[in-house]
Amino acid sequence: DVKVTQSSRYLVKRTGEKVFLECVQDMDHENMFWYRQDPGLGLRLIYFSYDVKMKEKGDIPEGYSVSREKKERFSLILESASTNQTSMYLCASSFLPSSYNEQFFGPGTRLTVL
Amino acid sequence: DQQVKQNSPSLSVQEGRISILNCDYTNSMFDYFLWYKKYPAEGPTFLISISSIKDKNEDGRFTVFLNKSAKHLSLHIVPSQPGDSAVYFCAASAESGGGADGLTFGKGTHLIIQP
Repeated sequence: DVKVTQSSRYLVKRTGEKVFLECVQDMDHENMFWYRQDPGLGLRLIYFSYDVKMKEKGDIPEGYSVSREKKERFSLILESASTNQTSMYLCASSFLPSSYNEQFFGPGTRLTVL
Repeated sequence: DQQVKQNSPSLSVQEGRISILNCDYTNSMFDYFLWYKKYPAEGPTFLISISSIKDKNEDGRFTVFLNKSAKHLSLHIVPSQPGDSAVYFCAASAESGGGADGLTFGKGTHLIIQP
């Protein structure tokens, strides 16, 4: 079974804090993704990575950065958290090459920025 | 501009009946479509997919239909069961061979199965 784990299920931070969200997958997947889910907006792609040390911007990268130092780990960084970054953050991974593009998701981190 | 649209935020269906969830897309480059199911406080889980070379894919109680000319797909669940109550996301991809791009998701439809 594919396992994607996220370091925290719930996180509360203050405005201006630096926030790290960690994601680890155990299936040797090349691709890893960070999404955020907001009511009425669905899932929106923040960043993705198709290899170690490689990263690509998604649809809403502003205010975020990422780090992929090891194949199994993909970190999302909020350099200076703001209240509009309060959201559910979902990490996903997928195999490359894949003719099915199926992504496996972690359980999510509910981040609240006060 | 929303490329994947799920126009029904919620849908209520009686247990045992058919649930039909709809999804429309605008990007003609999309060639692979997926449905994900999400329970509260959990990550989405893959349900079923369809390639643009097919018009139907079936897996147990779940069937996805694709109408390329109308840029429309639908997910049929029959019979509907209480455990099917969840948010369903339609997703699309323009890369069927590489997988390097993220999926484009719709906003989701909250399916409620009434006993």
